[in-house]
Amino acid sequence: SAVISQKPSRDICQRGTSLTIQCQVDSQVTMMFWYRQQPGQSLTLIATANQGSEATYESGFVIDKFPISRPNLTFSTLTVSNMSPEDSSIYLCSVTDRDRLYGYTFGSGTRLTVV
Amino acid sequence: AQSVTQLDSQVPVFEEAPVELRCNYSSSVSVYLFWYVQYPNQGLQLLLKYLSGSTLVKGINGFEAEFNKSQTSFHLRKPSVHISDTAEYFCAVYQGGKLIFGQGTELSVKP
Repeated sequence: SAVISQKPSRDICQRGTSLTIQCQVDSQVTMMFWYRQQPGQSLTLIATANQGSEATYESGFVIDKFPISRPNLTFSTLTVSNMSPEDSSIYLCSVTDRDRLYGYTFGSGTRLTVV
Repeated sequence: AQSVTQLDSQVPVFEEAPVELRCNYSSSVSVYLFWYVQYPNQGLQLLLKYLSGSTLVKGINGFEAEFNKSQTSFHLRKPSVHISDTAEYFCAVYQGGKLIFGQGTELSVKP
C-alpha cells in the first residue's frame, strides 16, 4: 500500500492565522481525502481532493475555510484558514486507488492546537 | 446513505482475555467494511477489510471479524488480548468512493 508523509506533525497556532498541511504520497493514487478528528471524536470527511480541479466538500465544510490544492497525483495540501480554538483537531490525509482493494491508507495526522 | 454504529464507546478487558468490539451497519445491496486501529498519538492503521467472499476475515495482530448480512454486523474479535492492543478502534463502511466511520471504541487492556 501507499506510504504517506504528512507535515507538520503538530503545531500550535494563534487564532486568526492560517496553517497549511501537506500530504505527500510515495506513488500515484487516484483518490485523496482530508479528514478531521476532533478531540475524543471519530473521523469526519472534510473533502475529496481532485487533481487539477476544485475539491469536493462535504456538508458543513466550505472552500473559504478549508482551501485544498492537488496539483498532481502524489501531493495535496489542506489549509485551515482564519483559525479559532474550535479548529483544534487532528487533520488526516487519506489515499486509495481505483480498485480500493488494499483499503484506504492514512497519514499519521497533524495535531493542531489553536490558542 | 450508509452509516455505521459502534455499540460500545469503551471496552475494558484484562490481559489474555477474549474481546469483541461490536459494529453494525445500515443495510445495503452490497457493502464493503473495514476495521482500523489508532494507537495513541498515531494515525490509522488498517486491521482488516471485507469486500466479498468468506464472511470470516482475518487481519493483522491476531484480529478477525465476521460479516453477518442477516444481522448487518461486522464485529471484531481477538481470542487473547495484550497490553499493546490498547487503542481506539474504528469500524468504517465504504460509500460512494468514501469511508464513513463509526464513533470508535476505546479498548483498554489492563494487566
